[in-house]
Amino acid sequence: GDSVTQMEGPVTLSEEAFLTINCTYTATGYPSLFWYVQYPGEGLQLLLKATKADDKGSNKGFEATYRKETTSFHLEKGSVQVSDSAVYFCALSRSGSARQLTFGSGTQLTVLP
Amino acid sequence: KAGVTQTPRYLIKTRGQQVTLSCSPISGHRSVSWYQQTPGQGLQFLFEYFSETQRNKGNFPGRFSGRQFSNSRSEMNVSTLELGDSALYLCASTRDRIDEQFFGPGTRLTVL
Repeated sequence: GDSVTQMEGPVTLSEEAFLTINCTYTATGYPSLFWYVQYPGEGLQLLLKATKADDKGSNKGFEATYRKETTSFHLEKGSVQVSDSAVYFCALSRSGSARQLTFGSGTQLTVLP
Repeated sequence: KAGVTQTPRYLIKTRGQQVTLSCSPISGHRSVSWYQQTPGQGLQFLFEYFSETQRNKGNFPGRFSGRQFSNSRSEMNVSTLELGDSALYLCASTRDRIDEQFFGPGTRLTVL
């Protein structure tokens, strides 16, 4: 079945450091890929998405590129801020079942001032 | 535009009881999906409803059920509660033919 493997956390960085959170997936066909963010006490917010190979999703300084050859969708940000502290989830949905997301285990990011 | 709303935000129940959670999607969204979030199992898909019909179902026992009303509001019910049902239950809504899901704040269920 489908699965998403995400870099284990927690990750602690200083403000303005470079962030990478690794994500790889297993799925048949050509899934859509997503990064969601969850702040304490809140639901999930879509951060960015990519729907086909070589697509780059970007939002709020975060980027991720859909790499089909390596089945990866790593999240990056050049300079993190304290306000980026949250849990980040990588997820996929297969074609035809776009409302059924398969999530990774989540990565807790803490950014220190 | 109002976001996805879920009620109640917090619930405490005892084993053997049943519970009903409610979700109101964003206006115009006809698809509603439910997820369970626990520290041990992470985020798991429960089911999806579209136009009052269950369209997808995850791997959960029959104690977990749901329904959707004509105004797209959805409810999920858990019967014969077990300690392991303690979780954050998230609802998400989607527009037709769009793959972005918009999540509500969740209902925190504690089973004692």
